Amino acid sequence: GDSVTQMEGPVTLSEEAFLTINCTYTATGYPSLFWYVQYPGEGLQLLLKATKADDKGSNKGFEATYRKETTSFHLEKGSVQVSDSAVYFCALKQGAQKLVFGQGTRLTINP
Amino acid sequence: DTGVSQNPRHKITKRGQNVTFRCDPISEHNRLYWYRQTLGQGPEFLTYFQNEAQLEKSRLLSDRFSAERPKGSFSTLEIQRTEQGDSAMYLCASSLTDFAATGELFFGEGSRLTVL
Repeated sequence: GDSVTQMEGPVTLSEEAFLTINCTYTATGYPSLFWYVQYPGEGLQLLLKATKADDKGSNKGFEATYRKETTSFHLEKGSVQVSDSAVYFCALKQGAQKLVFGQGTRLTINP
Repeated sequence: DTGVSQNPRHKITKRGQNVTFRCDPISEHNRLYWYRQTLGQGPEFLTYFQNEAQLEKSRLLSDRFSAERPKGSFSTLEIQRTEQGDSAMYLCASSLTDFAATGELFFGEGSRLTVL
C-alpha cells in the first residue's frame, strides 16, 4: 500500500543553518504531496504542497520539489530560525479523502 | 477562536472502561475526519464524515470504536471496552468540500488517551 518514509529525527540545528528533511514515498500513480507542521501546543497545519511531478511548493521560506524519478519530496530551508522548531510531517493524498503521513521529524533550532 | 476544538485534551482510564471524545470543527466546514497517532508515528486515518454521513471507515476502526456526527456539526468518537493498545492521540480535523483539490485539513490539538 501507499506509504511515506521520513528521515529519522530528532534534528538539531543552529539558527541560520541550512535545513533538509528527507521524505520518500511509495504509491500507485502520482499522488499530491504535502508537508504539514505541528508547532508546540498547536494542531497540525499545512505548510506546503505539490500536486504533480516537478512542481515546487513553497511557504514561509520552506521549499519542496516533487521528484517523480526518485519518489521524493524533501523539505528545505536556507536559513532556519528558532521559531521553526516544530515537528514536520510529510504526507501524500490517497484517493480523494485520506492523507497518509510519515512518522514525523522533530526539529529543534538553537539560538 | 474559530479553530477545531477537541475535548477532553487528556483522558486516563482503566482497561475495560468506555471513553468518548468530542470534536467541534470549524463552523463552515462540512467534512470532519478522525485520525489516530501513536508515539513516534504519524497520524493514521480512522474515518470521515460529510455533513452527518459517515462515508468511509478504516479497518483500524474495530467494532469497539464508533463515531457519530448527528447534526452535521460536532462529532463524537467512542471507544468501548478500552484496551492498552488504544492508548494514543486521537486527532480531529475538518475541511471544506474542496479538500480533494487542496489537501488542506485543519487539525485540532488532539485528545490523548492513556489506558492503564
